[in-house]
Amino acid sequence: QQPVQSPQAVILREGEDAVINCSSSKALYSVHWYRQKHGEAPVFLMILLKGGEQKGHEKISASFNEKKQQSSLYLTASQLSYSGTYFCGAMIYNQGGKLIFGQGTELSVKP
Amino acid sequence: SQTIHQWPATLVQPVGSPLSLECTVEGTSNPNLYWYRQAAGRGLQLLFYSVGIGQISSEVPQNLSASRPQDRQFILSSKKLLLSDSGFYLCAWSNLGSYNSPLHFGNGTRLTVT
Repeated sequence: QQPVQSPQAVILREGEDAVINCSSSKALYSVHWYRQKHGEAPVFLMILLKGGEQKGHEKISASFNEKKQQSSLYLTASQLSYSGTYFCGAMIYNQGGKLIFGQGTELSVKP
Repeated sequence: SQTIHQWPATLVQPVGSPLSLECTVEGTSNPNLYWYRQAAGRGLQLLFYSVGIGQISSEVPQNLSASRPQDRQFILSSKKLLLSDSGFYLCAWSNLGSYNSPLHFGNGTRLTVT
């Protein structure tokens, strides 16, 4: 049931763009995205509900393809503060509020 | 505003000892409550989640258990800790019955089993 994220890790220079993908084998109510800094709790970024919805948060945006049960997180003009591990969370149909996270994508932004 | 409290922040326990981690939420009613565990350098593993008092779903059938004695209190327990129980334990809450409600995490408990 765990969604699959790709890539597992990515290294960027400041100002570069990145895409993180998340794929589920189960039908989803929604997809959540979180960022976790080392040693800290995850922080919520955004939720996508259905229908190819796109949302934005600063220079971070995401899309959700409901038919394919796939979501992508787009980071544009990356900043040093974007470094961390990004997790997608899958809210699966008929599982009463259970949120399952992918294995995470470690993003490092270098000066 | 809503806040979530989780304690202790760090804990070192010997193998075979019991465990009790507590989490409380303030400023909201009837929340969904969650316990996750994160092994070093790994992802977030869902251990338990609860949609109400006495309603707890277990995702990990091992030596851990959870209880929800009050609406906004969630307790994670073990009778005998294993080395493999070491990790970062995170409690979280979300709005009940809402699939578009984000999870709000506590600051976590770093458990080392020696």
